[in-house]
Amino acid sequence: GNSVTQMEGPVTLSEEAFLTINCTYTATGYPSLFWYVQYPGEGLQLLLKATKADDKGSNKGFEATYRKETTSFHLEKGSVQVSDSAVYFCALRGDTGRRALTFGSGTRLQVQP
Amino acid sequence: DGGITQSPKYLFRKEGQNVTLSCEQNLNHDAMYWYRQDPGQGLRLIYYSQIVNDFQKGDIAEGYSVSREKKESFPLTVTSAQKNPTAFYLCASSPGGGPKEKLFFGSGTQLSVL
Repeated sequence: GNSVTQMEGPVTLSEEAFLTINCTYTATGYPSLFWYVQYPGEGLQLLLKATKADDKGSNKGFEATYRKETTSFHLEKGSVQVSDSAVYFCALRGDTGRRALTFGSGTRLQVQP
Repeated sequence: DGGITQSPKYLFRKEGQNVTLSCEQNLNHDAMYWYRQDPGQGLRLIYYSQIVNDFQKGDIAEGYSVSREKKESFPLTVTSAQKNPTAFYLCASSPGGGPKEKLFFGSGTQLSVL
C-alpha cells in the first residue's frame, strides 16, 4: 500500500534560518504529492502540490520538488518567520486504487524570534 | 461563503454512549472523508465516500459508522465499540476522486471521553 515517511520533530529554528523537512514515499504508479500545514486548533490547509515527476510546487516562499528517482518530496524555505510555526504534513494521493490522501506523521516547526 | 463546516467544535462522550459528529459542505463536492488525528501522529483515514449513497472503510473503521444520504452531508458516528475515541476528528472533501485534486478540510471536532 501507499505510505509516507517524514522526519520527526519538533524542528526548532531561529528566524531567517533555512528550513528543510524531509519526506519520502512508497507508492505504485504515479501519485500526486502534497504538503499541508496545520495551525493550532485548526484543520489542514494546502501549502503546495506537485502532480508529476520533476514538478516543483511553491507557495509563500516554500518549495518542494517531486523526485521520482529518490521517491522524495522535501519541503524547503530559505528564510523562516515566526508566523511559519505550525505542523507540516506530507501526503500523497495515488492514481490507482483508493483515492484518499495518505499522510505522514507530521513535523512540528517552531520558529523563535 | 463556501466551505466545510464541522460541529460541534468540542464534544464529550460518556462510557457506552454513541455520539455523532456533523460535517456539511456547500462546495458541491462529490467526495468526502473522515480522518482521525492523535497527538503527535499523522491523520488516519476512517471512512470515505466518493459519491452519494456509497462509502468505503478506511484504515481504522472499526467502532465508527457513517452515512451519505445527501451530497452535502457526511456525519460520523462514534459508537460505544470504539474503546479509545479521544482524538481530533477532521472532515474533508474534494471535487471528485482524481489524484491531482486537493482536499478541503473543516476546522475539526475534538472528542473527549468523560
